[in-house]
Amino acid sequence: DQQVKQNSPSLSVQEGRISILNCDYTNSMFDYFLWYKKYPAEGPTFLISISSIKDKNEDGRFTVFLNKSAKHLSLHIVPSQPGDSAVYFCAASIHGSARQLTFGSGTQLTVLP
Amino acid sequence: GAGVSQTPSNKVTEKGKYVELRCDPISGHTALYWYRQSLGQGPEFLIYFQGTGAADDSGLPNDRFFAVRPEGSVSTLKIQRTERGDSAVYLCASGTDPDTGELFFGEGSRLTVL
Repeated sequence: DQQVKQNSPSLSVQEGRISILNCDYTNSMFDYFLWYKKYPAEGPTFLISISSIKDKNEDGRFTVFLNKSAKHLSLHIVPSQPGDSAVYFCAASIHGSARQLTFGSGTQLTVLP
Repeated sequence: GAGVSQTPSNKVTEKGKYVELRCDPISGHTALYWYRQSLGQGPEFLIYFQGTGAADDSGLPNDRFFAVRPEGSVSTLKIQRTERGDSAVYLCASGTDPDTGELFFGEGSRLTVL
């Protein structure tokens, strides 16, 4: 049973437009959420996180939104750049810790020049 | 380099054999994690070390899997009697603070069990 779901395996966006990646979770105990980016043949790299006490966190072109009632979070990238093309993983954990992360299956983002 | 180093990058073995995968974390990082990523899936937690001790090994799938970190730095993931279902990319990550998401992942060791 997948506790963290990324239902879109792929997404294509034009350069300069907004990319919106979505993630749903089922475990109401999750209180800390993260996004990771992964290029081919590299390990995932941390992008941005959000605690369940917030509903938005922004870092430059990246913003994560959390809707606890819907158990849904999204990552917005504005403006999208070709270098953003990668697999994006949503992850969640309990007790506000990164000690044990539960990952989604990832969304391949392609930003077209 | 200064990143997390994993060896070997690729390992092909036969069913039933024993395998060791090594992780060299970033110097000074006290937290070390092993994850496993199967094709088309996200990483799956295996074990977390804080210093030399395994603080959480609840993700190890069965007793064929074991990991050590004897001096609080390098870690070895050991898999006995490998099975075809063990084929995956094994990712190691390290960090300074287990309460943030700032995990630094290595490139992974791709294990193929024939």
